[in-house]
Amino acid sequence: AQTVTQSQPEMSVQEAETVTLSCTYDTSENNYYLFWYKQPPSRQMILVIRQEAYKQQNATENRFSVNFQKAAKSFSLKISDSQLGDTAMYFCAFMKHNTGFQKLVFGTGTRLLVSP
Amino acid sequence: DAGVIQSPRHEVTEMGQEVTLRCKPISGHDYLFWYRQTMMRGLELLIYFNNNVPIDDSGMPEDRFSAKMPNASFSTLKIQPSEPRDSAVYFCASSSGLVRSTDTQYFGPGTRLTVL
Repeated sequence: AQTVTQSQPEMSVQEAETVTLSCTYDTSENNYYLFWYKQPPSRQMILVIRQEAYKQQNATENRFSVNFQKAAKSFSLKISDSQLGDTAMYFCAFMKHNTGFQKLVFGTGTRLLVSP
Repeated sequence: DAGVIQSPRHEVTEMGQEVTLRCKPISGHDYLFWYRQTMMRGLELLIYFNNNVPIDDSGMPEDRFSAKMPNASFSTLKIQPSEPRDSAVYFCASSSGLVRSTDTQYFGPGTRLTVL
């Protein structure tokens, strides 16, 4: 079974600075997807970024980028130029790449606080 | 598109009462998921449907929980009878289900259930 571990329960950063959230996972699969979801105080789960395991290039979405290390089974999220609106819980998630099967396995989350 | 729609956003009920949570997936998505989020257990997949058919309900906690999807645009999660330990945020998510870059799960805003 797949597991996802987020070892940082809480992180804090000042506005405009850069912060990195860590995520490791355990799987015997070779093809899979990895995701970062953001959950602000409104509780909505919002997709931040996704990475296909077969792609060597790290995914980037504006201020959000990942450092995907497949051999190390590591998938960290870097937030550049942090904004107050980035304050939220961040969940790392794993999904096998298999037609018709899309079970998402979530980590326990990291609470990020961005302060002025 | 309006995204995944859930109702109600908040539900407060008394122990023993029946509770029905509703979800409208994104149009064209053929996978629908129900999740439960608690502080103790994090995000758990309860059940998911493909083309209105339940595929995996192994996450449903017990017989008090049931889910239906009578058509492609509507699903319900019912708890009968409800218990205080069912208090949680319940999320519905949908995805296109195809093995391509767009088969990401999109979450609704959640229903916060409180059972007194």
